[in-house]
Amino acid sequence: EDKVVQSPLSLVVHEGDTVTLNCSYEVTNFRSLLWYKQEKKAPTFLFMLTSSGIEKKSGRLSSILDKKELFSILNITATQTGDSAIYLCARTGAQKLVFGQGTRLTINP
Amino acid sequence: DGGITQSPKYLFRKEGQNVTLSCEQNLNHDAMYWYRQDPGQGLRLIYYSQIVNDFQKGDIAEGYSVSREKKESFPLTVTSAQKNPTAFYLCASSTRTSGGAHEQFFGPGTRLTVL
Repeated sequence: EDKVVQSPLSLVVHEGDTVTLNCSYEVTNFRSLLWYKQEKKAPTFLFMLTSSGIEKKSGRLSSILDKKELFSILNITATQTGDSAIYLCARTGAQKLVFGQGTRLTINP
Repeated sequence: DGGITQSPKYLFRKEGQNVTLSCEQNLNHDAMYWYRQDPGQGLRLIYYSQIVNDFQKGDIAEGYSVSREKKESFPLTVTSAQKNPTAFYLCASSTRTSGGAHEQFFGPGTRLTVL
């Protein structure tokens, strides 16, 4: 079964630190990889990555996809307590998304 | 305001009872999805529908049923056959193209607890 694996599963850092979250997948023929942030309830969309090697940025968050090595990373610089959340990645399938298990990120003041 | 609504927010059920979770969207999306999330875990797909009057099983469909009689609505019934129904249930919707899945928009979720 095609899997999406995220690491680490849990991460605790201090405010101001930089973090890198990882997402690896097994299938090669897919269109996009997506990142979501889930604070309490509904996941909210962060990025959709389609092309390898092109970084997407939004404020302190950035993400990049490597289609050759089958992984993506999500970077958060100068972390704030409001960044505490579960971060989910998902790859597109034929008619659905396949999600990883998520990384729970906790930012301590 | 365009969006996805789910109701109720919290639901308590006795063992052996069926319960239906509501999901409505006014985004004019063709595709709708139901996920289950357990503590510390990602999202697992229960059922999805690409078009009205059609739906497919996801990875964990056993013990669940759905209907898609209207484009805006995709209710999920948790039946008594579901062995471990206590979980957080998320509904999502997206546009549909022949090229594959797209970004999904999520509702606020329903937390179901079986007593």
